[in-house]
Amino acid sequence: GENVEQHPSTLSVQEGDSAVIKCTYSDSASNYFPWYKQELGKRPQLIIDIRSNVGEKKDQRIAVTLNKTAKHFSLHITETQPEDSAVYFCAAKPGGYQKVTFGTGTKLQVIP
Amino acid sequence: DAGVIQSPRHEVTEMGQEVTLRCKPISGHNSLFWYRQTMMRGLELLIYFNNNVPIDDSGMPEDRFSAKMPNASFSTLKIQPSEPRDSAVYFCASRSPGDNEKLFFGSGTQLSVL
Repeated sequence: GENVEQHPSTLSVQEGDSAVIKCTYSDSASNYFPWYKQELGKRPQLIIDIRSNVGEKKDQRIAVTLNKTAKHFSLHITETQPEDSAVYFCAAKPGGYQKVTFGTGTKLQVIP
Repeated sequence: DAGVIQSPRHEVTEMGQEVTLRCKPISGHNSLFWYRQTMMRGLELLIYFNNNVPIDDSGMPEDRFSAKMPNASFSTLKIQPSEPRDSAVYFCASRSPGDNEKLFFGSGTQLSVL
């Protein structure tokens, strides 16, 4: 089955700096890569996703890049703000009625 | 739509007791997922249903865990008998049919087994 590894497990950045979280996956059949944000005590919520036919996707201050050859994808947050502090999960999914496999999460702390 | 609704929000029980967690997916969604979240293991998929049929239950830890989806608007996850190591946050999520892969999570049930 799919195995998703995520690094780092914790990340502290100064407000205004950029944050990068990296993930690797094992199943070459995976073609959908979402990122979820979970604030303390809250539910995970989708913030951005990318499909395998695209190399990069941006949405305001967040962007995701995908390298299918190397089987890795990354989340980039620019101009970080205190409200970006949360746990971020990457995930991978093959097509069809397959399950989403999550990484172990990255706790991001943005220091004001 | 009120989103995915889970109950109870918190459950405290004693070891050996039966625990039933409930989930109402978003109307029109045809896939439902049960996840368990712990500090050690992160988000683990326990089981998921498509059109009320269990598709993959390989994540169910052992026979003490069972899940049902009797209709499109309701699912239960039951633990019998419960053990302290079952303490975790249990999330239910649903997904709409078609190409939209987005998961919508409920607020979760914080389970504590003493």
